[in-house]
Amino acid sequence: AQSVTQPDIHITVSEGASLELRCNYSYGATPYLFWYVQSPGQGLQLLLKYFSGDTLVQGIKGFEAEFKRSQSSFNLRKPSVHWSDAAEYFCAVAGWGTDKLIFGTGTRLQVFP
Amino acid sequence: DAGVIQSPRHEVTEMGQEVTLRCKPISGHNSLFWYRQTMMRGLELLIYFNNNVPIDDSGMPEDRFSAKMPNASFSTLKIQPSEPRDSAVYFCASSPRQDEKLFFGSGTQLSVL
Repeated sequence: AQSVTQPDIHITVSEGASLELRCNYSYGATPYLFWYVQSPGQGLQLLLKYFSGDTLVQGIKGFEAEFKRSQSSFNLRKPSVHWSDAAEYFCAVAGWGTDKLIFGTGTRLQVFP
Repeated sequence: DAGVIQSPRHEVTEMGQEVTLRCKPISGHNSLFWYRQTMMRGLELLIYFNNNVPIDDSGMPEDRFSAKMPNASFSTLKIQPSEPRDSAVYFCASSPRQDEKLFFGSGTQLSVL
């Protein structure tokens, strides 16, 4: 069965510091992978997605993620965090040919000035 | 486009009452999803529709939950009777086709007392 693990429930970084949010997935075939961000009281917004091709994908707001098949990982990175990046981040996986998107439990990011 | 529209934004009800959550997907989107978000379990997919037909309802917690999509522009999620453990934020999302990103509504905050 598909599953997503985000091992870090809560991360705190200083503004300007680099960021890496971890995501591990379990899926028997080539997955489709996504990162979403949720601001307080809001729905989720897509940051980036991986379907195929280049394993390093660029997203909005300066985020990027790298698909590593050997590690079953799709970690999200940003070289310099801004205070407005404070939010909850969700990794998600879907199988080819299916609409069913399975989310991880999320990582809450706190940014200190 | 106005995006995915959910109503009500907040619902407070007493245990045993019927609750109906409503969703209007983005026009032209073929797939519609209902998710539930709680602190304990994160985002859970309850059910999704493709072209108004329920495809996978394996995430529906129990018979008290039911969902309908009578036409391409409207869906409901009903809980009857409601219980305090149903308290959560319920999100509706739509997508234009398979493997495309999800567009989320702002959610309905449900509190069952």
